[in-house]
Amino acid sequence: KAGVTQTPRYLIKTRGQQVTLSCSPISGHRSVSWYQQTPGQGLQFLFEYFSETQRNKGNFPGRFSGRQFSNSRSEMNVSTLELGDSALYLCASSIGGGQPQHFGDGTRLSIL
Amino acid sequence: GEDVEQSLFLSVREGDSSVINCTYTDSSSTYLYWYKQEPGAGLQLLTYIFSNMDMKQDQRLTVLLNKKDKHLSLRIADTQTGDSAIYFCAEIVTGGGNKLTFGTGTQLKVEL
Repeated sequence: KAGVTQTPRYLIKTRGQQVTLSCSPISGHRSVSWYQQTPGQGLQFLFEYFSETQRNKGNFPGRFSGRQFSNSRSEMNVSTLELGDSALYLCASSIGGGQPQHFGDGTRLSIL
Repeated sequence: GEDVEQSLFLSVREGDSSVINCTYTDSSSTYLYWYKQEPGAGLQLLTYIFSNMDMKQDQRLTVLLNKKDKHLSLRIADTQTGDSAIYFCAEIVTGGGNKLTFGTGTQLKVEL
């Protein structure tokens, strides 16, 4: 059974640009969550999608948005990139209901 | 509110047992998890425990939960060099959907 797949693995952008990250969950998983990992703030929850609906949202500005498609694949978008957005963005999938979340290898985003 | 704390570093000798500790503040935790992160990788789910359990054993891993003290520990028996990594505890609380709140992570170094 394939694991969680995130693309791309690495991305370099400049300030002011926007970026879209993709996540394909484990087959059968309907919940997809996104996390940001930085050395200073650690692992922080961005948002969760379940059956195409955003179910929960963390304390991030509106520049961070996401969506989920009918096949449970999810995308995360960050607009007007800032230097502080440089981070490892991790996607996790689960069947929901507090059941274990399985993570992808992440997308490393660097802002110049 | 939610707050999860861990000590930053732990160094052990190969073959010894490692004990990684975690404290949390939210008494409405439902599930508690342990994840492992190796350099350049995402998070690997190691084990988890439901809040109505006191202990869970899975091969070399033993999880102990003290609900009264809000203390969680992960014991790794016969620690190997391949166990060197960062270990994160995380909780899901009632009403929080699938949002994981992570600890700061403990860097485990296994020396020969």
